[in-house]
Amino acid sequence: DTGVSQDPRHKITKRGQNVTFRCDPISEHNRLYWYRQTLGQGPEFLTYFQNEAQLEKSRLLSDRFSAERPKGSFSTLEIQRTEQGDSAMYLCASSLEYGALENFGPGTRLTVT
Amino acid sequence: AQKVTQAQTEISVVEKEDVTLDCVYETRDTTYYLFWYKQPPSGELVFLIRRNSFDEQNEISGRYSWNFQKSTSSFNFTITASQVVDSAVYFCALSDSNDMRFGAGTRLTVKP
Repeated sequence: DTGVSQDPRHKITKRGQNVTFRCDPISEHNRLYWYRQTLGQGPEFLTYFQNEAQLEKSRLLSDRFSAERPKGSFSTLEIQRTEQGDSAMYLCASSLEYGALENFGPGTRLTVT
Repeated sequence: AQKVTQAQTEISVVEKEDVTLDCVYETRDTTYYLFWYKQPPSGELVFLIRRNSFDEQNEISGRYSWNFQKSTSSFNFTITASQVVDSAVYFCALSDSNDMRFGAGTRLTVKP
């Protein structure tokens, strides 16, 4: 196991299109987190899963955003009707212990044109 | 309220100088974790250290050291004998019962 992986690494899309990102956590980790990082800022929390249950959602996660973790393994983050303000790096992390965020994925960089 | 402040936006040093990155945090919880991460130009967040609120021992790892002081709510990071490869953005973060919050980061440039 080589750590948290994310796919794709880069995504360019036109405004109004839908996009979906995937995160594969470290296999034994039951907790999974999504963060968003805009240019020049620190990562901001989006949502958190324990197994397949989505336990926390940030107010940053508007109705256009949805995240799933159907079998408690990989997770997907979908953004519908993308806007230019959605352009950011989307980071995924996983852990065994809540808040022990020692394993981040490489991120998916989204550019909305 | 939960908050992490990294007052230094950018720091520039010459190779072999020591440099300290400051981090001040706020939380109402008595149990929490503090972190430091390095983010090189490639963009990946590299975990450096996690410290829980009950462990105020300072830590040294090679050229890196961390000074945790609950009395001043600070968790500062020092790089000794800096190298060009240390150039990156460094983030301090706090994890408590609410969520995990990052500071805005300090961009460190080490010049040869």
